[in-house]
Amino acid sequence: NAGVTQTPKFRVLKTGQSMTLLCAQDMNHEYMYWYRQDPGMGLRLIHYSVGEGTTAKGEVPDGYNVSRLKKQNFLLGLESAAPSQTSVYFCASSPGQRIDEQYFGPGTRLTVT
Amino acid sequence: AQKVTQAQTEISVVEKEDVTLDCVYETRDTTYYLFWYKQPPSGELVFLIRRNSFDEQNEISGRYSWNFQKSTSSFNFTITASQVVDSAVYFCALSERRGRRALTFGSGTRLQVQP
Repeated sequence: NAGVTQTPKFRVLKTGQSMTLLCAQDMNHEYMYWYRQDPGMGLRLIHYSVGEGTTAKGEVPDGYNVSRLKKQNFLLGLESAAPSQTSVYFCASSPGQRIDEQYFGPGTRLTVT
Repeated sequence: AQKVTQAQTEISVVEKEDVTLDCVYETRDTTYYLFWYKQPPSGELVFLIRRNSFDEQNEISGRYSWNFQKSTSSFNFTITASQVVDSAVYFCALSERRGRRALTFGSGTRLQVQP
């Protein structure tokens, strides 16, 4: 099992460019999440999904869109990147049947110049 | 709304010292779950422990121990005889019982263990 993987690991964007971050999990988990981590602020929830075909907003959704067309994949899109979106992005998944630990991916470090 | 406070931004100790990381939480739920994660310099998040609100027993795992006190809404983490490999950022987190079950994280405590 690879667990939770994220692509890419690093990316530098110019303001206004778009990109998609891919999260994949091979544990057949129902729930998937996107968090961002900024210095001194811990992780904050961007969007989440409780099952294939469903998505919902978290605490800081502005400027991001997501899709969960397949159960194993959760995509995070930035349509027009801004410097404020410079951050480390973590994807996580959990089984969903009970409160279990969330399994985190290795993170994507994104810099927007 | 849920909130997790880790008031200690950074702690520095010398190897073999004991160290306690504080975590205070706020929630309106009567059933909730608390977590600790470790983030070493390599950046990944490592799960350490999960505790539900009905279980106030302290837990010990090797050099790690956790003290959950519902009366003070605290879930503190102690490392006994710290080692250099314990140097990391430690996050306390709170999970909702229903709905999205997302984690609300504290801002983290950076622990530096000097040799």
